[in-house]
Amino acid sequence: KNQVEQSPQSLIILEGKNCTLQCNYTVSPFSNLRWYKQDTGRGPVSLTIMTFSENTKSNGRYTATLDADTKQSSLHITASQLSDSASYICVVGPSGGYNKLIFGAGTRLAVHP
Amino acid sequence: EPEVTQTPSHQVTQMGQEVILRCVPISNHLYFYWYRQILGQKVEFLVSFYNNEISEKSEIFDDQFSVERPDGSNFTLKIRSTKLEDSAMYFCASTIGGHGYTFGSGTRLTVV
Repeated sequence: KNQVEQSPQSLIILEGKNCTLQCNYTVSPFSNLRWYKQDTGRGPVSLTIMTFSENTKSNGRYTATLDADTKQSSLHITASQLSDSASYICVVGPSGGYNKLIFGAGTRLAVHP
Repeated sequence: EPEVTQTPSHQVTQMGQEVILRCVPISNHLYFYWYRQILGQKVEFLVSFYNNEISEKSEIFDDQFSVERPDGSNFTLKIRSTKLEDSAMYFCASTIGGHGYTFGSGTRLTVV
């Protein structure tokens, strides 16, 4: 069954600290992996997208890694800010079909001053 | 930057009533989607729409649901007879194809 699992479920860090969020997936066949940021009550906003041939992708203070062999990805956030408080969702796009996405449950990040 | 627009932002309806959720995708996009997120749960795929027809749908998308692109700009999701368990955030998304995906801000549907 196609699944996306994320850890931890929630995380509290102090402003200015770094953190790393994890994602494991069993989606097959695999086309791409995305990380989204979702504020409460809002739609997901894309942070990064990687195809199976890419190992890393950065977007400002966000750096995503992908190991397609072990089916693992991580999202590293550096120098966290209060505005980083949100849910971070790992999303996998299977190949073929019409580009539907499979979502993980997300990691809820709280950045405290 | 182009946006996917959804209206209304919040809709309250009585159980058994019909609701129509509206979306205006990005103008040059070709693929359109509806997803939903029940409070505290994952975002789930409902349906994809391409070339004026449903291209894929999930088990959730039963006979109570329908989608339409009535005028070349709007994309609607209709729920014929709402149930309490239909209460959720409904997200519309569109893509030109390939990897670019843009989500709307969602419609919060509350069935009472």
